[in-house]
Amino acid sequence: DAGVIQSPRHEVTEMGQEVTLRCKPISGHDYLFWYRQTMMRGLELLIYFNNNVPIDDSGMPEDRFSAKMPNASFSTLKIQPSEPRDSAVYFCASSFPTGTVWGEQYFGPGTRLTVT
Amino acid sequence: AQTVTQSQPEMSVQEAETVTLSCTYDTSESDYYLFWYKQPPSRQMILVIRQEAYKQQNATENRFSVNFQKAAKSFSLKISDSQLGDAAMYFCALLGGSEKLVFGKGTKLTVNP
Repeated sequence: DAGVIQSPRHEVTEMGQEVTLRCKPISGHDYLFWYRQTMMRGLELLIYFNNNVPIDDSGMPEDRFSAKMPNASFSTLKIQPSEPRDSAVYFCASSFPTGTVWGEQYFGPGTRLTVT
Repeated sequence: AQTVTQSQPEMSVQEAETVTLSCTYDTSESDYYLFWYKQPPSRQMILVIRQEAYKQQNATENRFSVNFQKAAKSFSLKISDSQLGDAAMYFCALLGGSEKLVFGKGTKLTVNP
């Protein structure tokens, strides 16, 4: 398997623009997670899906952030409008349910977002 | 609430030596899983080792092993025969009660030649 795939790897945009990050999970995984990593706050869970349904979005910082999972092989994280404080590395991860195959999460390579 | 604490922001080790990274956690769950992830400069998060809480035997993966002390809620990572490629951020993580991984703040490991 190719692992979790994220695109783009790097994104530079101006404040106020819309940003869309994409993720393809590992085939067969039931869970998909979006994380944000910054020096100040470390790794933060933003939202996660089970079988394409959002389960917990309590980590989404503001209404400017939205995430969708239209099918089992694709998810997007959208920021509209973007702000400089959104600059971070955004990770997507996927996993089987806990108790089946350990539940450990496999991470994508991340998208480094810079908002100027 | 579940918490994971890594008290060592930075550690260093000489190549070929052994180093131990500390992690303590708190959870009210009786069944949970513990993980160590490695994040090299490439940013990729790589699973290093995992431990099921109900297993008393400490997990090992080649040069990596853990010291799991359930009563003390301690989960340290030992790296033997350290190599330059082991230099990275190391994150301890807890999974229990839900599918949400709780991460520590990380320990930056430097390997000196």
